[in-house]
Amino acid sequence: EAGVAQSPRYKIIEKRQSVAFWCNPISGHATLYWYQQILGQGPKLLIQFQNNGVVDDSQLPKDRFSAERLKGVDSTLKIQPAKLEDSAVYLCASSFTSGGFSYNEQFFGPGTRLTVL
Amino acid sequence: AQSVTQLDSHVSVSEGTPVLLRCNYSSSYSPSLFWYVQHPNKGLQLLLKYTSAATLVKGINGFEAEFKKSETSFHLTKPSAHMSDAAEYFCVVRGRGGATNKLIFGTGTLLAVQP
Repeated sequence: EAGVAQSPRYKIIEKRQSVAFWCNPISGHATLYWYQQILGQGPKLLIQFQNNGVVDDSQLPKDRFSAERLKGVDSTLKIQPAKLEDSAVYLCASSFTSGGFSYNEQFFGPGTRLTVL
Repeated sequence: AQSVTQLDSHVSVSEGTPVLLRCNYSSSYSPSLFWYVQHPNKGLQLLLKYTSAATLVKGINGFEAEFKKSETSFHLTKPSAHMSDAAEYFCVVRGRGGATNKLIFGTGTLLAVQP
């Protein structure tokens, strides 16, 4: 079974520039998550999708971060404009959904390491 | 609100000796708890999970954890460390409410295994 795919693996940009990350979940997983992991901390959920709808985006800084999952499969996370404090690893995860709820194991991709200079 | 506290940021053991990674949780509800492992440049992998069944949970690679409600603890153990166990370990609690499946991570414990 193919895992969660993410690209790019590494990205270096200057502050105030824009950047986008891509995620392709495991086939058949209706729920997709984006996490931010700052160095020395545990991952923090930014947004959760179920199919193409948003379930939880309470911790997404909406003034600069946006995410979409238009066809309910792959997803993009965008930062515009980037700040120094956005330097982190951005992790995508997916999980199987049953009965309309996602209470199952989350499978994580390798992450995208973003450095903002 | 749910939270977890990992009591050690770094743990160093010798190969072949026991491993103990400590985690305390805070939850208003009966929690769902997990341990994830993160090897360098690799994705997070689930080691084991507790979801209100048996209090002693066995996971992959010889790891296990015991849920102790009286101590609000969920410590991770392994009888004998292997070099390949060197990684960062996260204690995690599932958030509650609606359809959210939010995972709330601790700050991590970096395990070093000395030869």
